[in-house]
Amino acid sequence: AQSVTQLDSHVSVSEGTPVLLRCNYSSSYSPSLFWYVQHPNKGLQLLLKYTSAATLVKGINGFEAEFKKSETSFHLTKPSAHMSDAAEYFCVVSPISSGSARQLTFGSGTQLTVLP
Amino acid sequence: NAGVTQTPKFQVLKTGQSMTLQCAQDMNHNSMYWYRQDPGMGLRLIYYSASEGTTDKGEVPNGYNVSRLNKREFSLRLESAAPSQTSVYFCASSEAFGTVGGNTIYFGEGSWLTVV
Repeated sequence: AQSVTQLDSHVSVSEGTPVLLRCNYSSSYSPSLFWYVQHPNKGLQLLLKYTSAATLVKGINGFEAEFKKSETSFHLTKPSAHMSDAAEYFCVVSPISSGSARQLTFGSGTQLTVLP
Repeated sequence: NAGVTQTPKFQVLKTGQSMTLQCAQDMNHNSMYWYRQDPGMGLRLIYYSASEGTTDKGEVPNGYNVSRLNKREFSLRLESAAPSQTSVYFCASSEAFGTVGGNTIYFGEGSWLTVV
């Protein structure tokens, strides 16, 4: 069994300030973890993924996330927010050895607002 | 760079009407998926096709049917639409099936369906 919890449904930051989007997971298996971003009226775009290699994962557009097994967390960060980062972000967990798409579990999403 | 293309983007149906959502991918992917997205619930898997010629139920298959027409195309049909099927529908594809080794799933831009 597995689950993912995005701790904040909405986050607001000022342009140029750091971004932190929090994700906790639970899994009976070694997990793969993903962050996707969804801009308004668009599909989901992969930002980054963790698959048991380096625990600090770098993604596109300056985002990164750190896998912390002891804390069962995979928080998404960016040093300096840009207006174009305003979107909804989804944390996703799956067993790393899963042969089934049914085991891909999505968080409920965090809406990021960037203030000028 | 079309990726995953869905049509139509917007549709309004009356209760009891039928319709088909079309999806095509140009990445030569083996696996394709249909998800629905509802507020506060993340994405839920409706049906998937692990490879050409196969389809299987996901988490929420009731009221839907699918057809894997060929390797490129995977359609979703609502035989008798109900207001509970008002949602945003995403088609997705991946090179391999499931999430083994962090296999990435690519999403289309979504189809907004309203059933009145």
